[in-house]
Amino acid sequence: GQSLEQPSEVTAVEGAIVQINCTYQTSGFYGLSWYQQHDGGAPTFLSYNALDGLEETGRFSSFLSRSDSYGYLLLQELQMKDSASYFCAVRGGATNKLIFGTGTLLAVQP
Amino acid sequence: DADVTQTPRNRITKTGKRIMLECSQTKGHDRMYWYRQDPGLGLRLIYYSFDVKDINKGEISDGYSVSRQAQAKFSLSLESAIPNQTALYFCATSGSGTGTTDTQYFGPGTRLTVL
Repeated sequence: GQSLEQPSEVTAVEGAIVQINCTYQTSGFYGLSWYQQHDGGAPTFLSYNALDGLEETGRFSSFLSRSDSYGYLLLQELQMKDSASYFCAVRGGATNKLIFGTGTLLAVQP
Repeated sequence: DADVTQTPRNRITKTGKRIMLECSQTKGHDRMYWYRQDPGLGLRLIYYSFDVKDINKGEISDGYSVSRQAQAKFSLSLESAIPNQTALYFCATSGSGTGTTDTQYFGPGTRLTVL
């Protein structure tokens, strides 16, 4: 089967850098994705890594190490609006479905 | 206009009632999904459809059924609602290529309460 593990909560201050880790187990692997969800809102896609390394999109970067079954989302220059839940998701296994982690609640403090 | 729409946005119903949640998309995607979100449990896949003639069960399909009426429409039914189906339900769509499958576009969600 597939499973993902990420911290349940992270707190950081405005302007800082925060890293949200995700480890996964899957019998096959296509890629690791990250989604953001504000309270009461719909999840929105942030990034996708299929190959090892760092992908950068503005203030957000995502890293993948397939050999370690590990990835992280890096948020720089934190803003109050970054307070949200962040989900990692992995596609793999025989059914090729996207499976989501339980989410990390990021609280950005002034 | 939103690319993925869901109706209703909120619904309160009673145990034993049949409920249908509807999803429409204008993104032209072949793949559509229904997820359920409970506090602390993330998003769990109920059913998914890779095209109009393809319907597949997800992690938690018991008590649910779906219908893919057209490429743009995918509905979720609760045949006989029970209180533990109280949750936030999301519809999502995606393309079918590598990478594009992982980029899912979510509707605004339906908050369902079963009394």
